[in-house]
Formats: sequence, structure tokens, C-alpha cells
Amino acid sequence: SQQGEEDPQALSIQEGENATMNCSYKTSINNLQWYRQNSGRGLVHLILIRSNEREKHSGRLRVTLDTSKKSSSLLITASRAADTASYFCATGGGTLTFGKGTMLLVSP
Amino acid sequence: DAGITQSPRHKVTETGTPVTLRCHQTENHRYMYWYRQDPGHGLRLIHYSYGVKDTDKGEVSDGYSVSRSKTEDFLLTLESATSSQTSVYFCAISETDMDYGYTFGSGTRLTVV
Repeated sequence: SQQGEEDPQALSIQEGENATMNCSYKTSINNLQWYRQNSGRGLVHLILIRSNEREKHSGRLRVTLDTSKKSSSLLITASRAADTASYFCATGGGTLTFGKGTMLLVSP
Repeated sequence: DAGITQSPRHKVTETGTPVTLRCHQTENHRYMYWYRQDPGHGLRLIHYSYGVKDTDKGEVSDGYSVSRSKTEDFLLTLESATSSQTSVYFCAISETDMDYGYTFGSGTRLTVV
């Protein structure tokens, strides 16, 4: 069964806009990770946030974690066409369990 | 992807035939994983390995077996392929099993006809 559940399933924005994706999960976690998958490719690790952290930044990415609500969000600022991809959250503590992903389309 | 390769990239096979997919890494990572990706299901863990000859089942292990005789190679075998095993298979590696991201291969697209 899936641990993480991303929302929305699909998101379409214009270049330069911000994109926000959410992830909800059901059980306690040690960490939560976000991955990107371009069409026809493998997943690429973006960022990991530990259960005792509330916010983390990496370049144009900002991830928040609210363990009381069992949710996380991924914000991509100033989106580019190259950000078009599917984004997955994954919860860890041993093996990773992935959600079904959010498909992000960034139009020029 | 750097340090991890999957072979073959594409394969078409007939129902009932055995199929072996190979994952090879040059990172000397201890942990290796096999996932399958299907529309509507996301990625689901099939089997994983935490060392040479040490493997365990994942969420969807029925119909699959694995072997790891060397650190660098992790083989996934479909003993008798079925149409429900048509999928994209991804191998991943990680240095530890805690607080560490996975590195994924480029995937194998398997079609069972």
C-alpha cells in the first residue's frame, strides 16, 4: 500500500510562476524525500527532510514538513520549462515507499 | 545514471518464459532495490538487498526472485512471465538504509505478450 499521497495529481503553470505540491502520509516516519522523474527516465533524488526538521532549502526548492499533520510540501520557485516532470514523495525508515506522484507541466 | 546501469533497456517476451533483468553498480553501495512502476500505482518495491546474499521481499514480490552474488550486481528474475508483469522496472542503490537518498537506474521496459 502507498504511504505517501501527492496532491494535486497534475499541475499546469506558466514559466516564472511558483509550483506547490503536497504530500500526505499515514504513519510515523524517519524522513521524507522528494524525487523528480522526467518522461522515460529514472527518478532523481531532490531533497531529504528528517522528521525533526521543519523546513529545508535547496536552490529553488523549498520543502516543509509538518509531522503533526503528517504532511509535506514541495515548493519550486520561478519555475522553468525544464522543471516539467513528475514529482514523487517517498517516506523512509528502511526501504522507501513512494506516492503516485504529481505531474507538473511548465509552459513557456 | 552515473554509477548504476540496467540491462536490457527494453525487452519483449512471451508468457511463461523466464526473464532476468540485471542491475549493475559501480558505487560499492550496500543496499540495492528493485521497483516496478505502473500507471495508477506509482512505484512499488519488489525485492531489496542489504548485502551479498542478503535479500528480502517487498510489497509485490510474488512471481519474482532475486540474487546478489556480488556487491555490484543485483538480478531480478521472473520465473514464468505473465502479462501482469508488463511494467517498467527500476533498480536503485543507496549507501545506507537510513536518511539517505536513492540513486535510480534508467529502467527496463518489459512487455509480456
